[in-house]
Amino acid sequence: QVALQQWGTELLKPSETLSLTCTISGGSFSGHYCGWVRQPPGKGLEWLGEINRSGNTDYSPSLKGRLTLSVDTSNNEFSLRLASVTAADTGSYFCARRVRESSPSSIYYYYYYLDVWGRGTTVTVS
Amino acid sequence: ETFLTQSPDTLSLSPGESVTLSCRASQSIVASYLAWYQKKPGQAPRLLLFGASNRAAGIPDRFRGSGSGTDFTLTISRLEPEDFAVYYCQQCYSSPYTFGQGTKLEMK
Repeated sequence: QVALQQWGTELLKPSETLSLTCTISGGSFSGHYCGWVRQPPGKGLEWLGEINRSGNTDYSPSLKGRLTLSVDTSNNEFSLRLASVTAADTGSYFCARRVRESSPSSIYYYYYYLDVWGRGTTVTVS
Repeated sequence: ETFLTQSPDTLSLSPGESVTLSCRASQSIVASYLAWYQKKPGQAPRLLLFGASNRAAGIPDRFRGSGSGTDFTLTISRLEPEDFAVYYCQQCYSSPYTFGQGTKLEMK
């Protein structure tokens, strides 16, 4: 069964850098992306960005250049670094596999979705 | 940026009832890039539907999705106790891949 394991910093002070790592077992990121999503306490889900094994990235503009995603293909590890954290960055952080799958109904479009999720890391900035 | 607005914010229902949740996009999106997730406290989100109407593996047929353009719906028939959670739609048609604000389904 495909599973994502994630780990990283859980307690930081303001201005420090958050670091999280995600790896997959029982499956592969080949052809897909590693996405990152967070949820502040009492709020909804927020998409942060994604990266594939080739290092192609896409970031949410809301993070204003503070976010860096990277990949270590030799260890099959995907990492997130969020610089200059504040209390507003407190929350649960999830990695997820963002699938790219051909749509049977169209040669022009694909299915994109987050099918497997890590268990989440609770991050506190205080 | 494509904004997704879900309605209502909260619903109070009883097991056995049926419900339809709405997800409206600020601009037209291709249905194959619309997904629905279920989120329970302390757990990771769980994929329910992709491509607006395709059930993910292991999702019972009580969950049905439909829609196109800017209007999408998730219908849950015969609510079970484990269905009470927060539901999110997400579009991956245009970056940033935004989520709706969520609809909380609570037990009456």
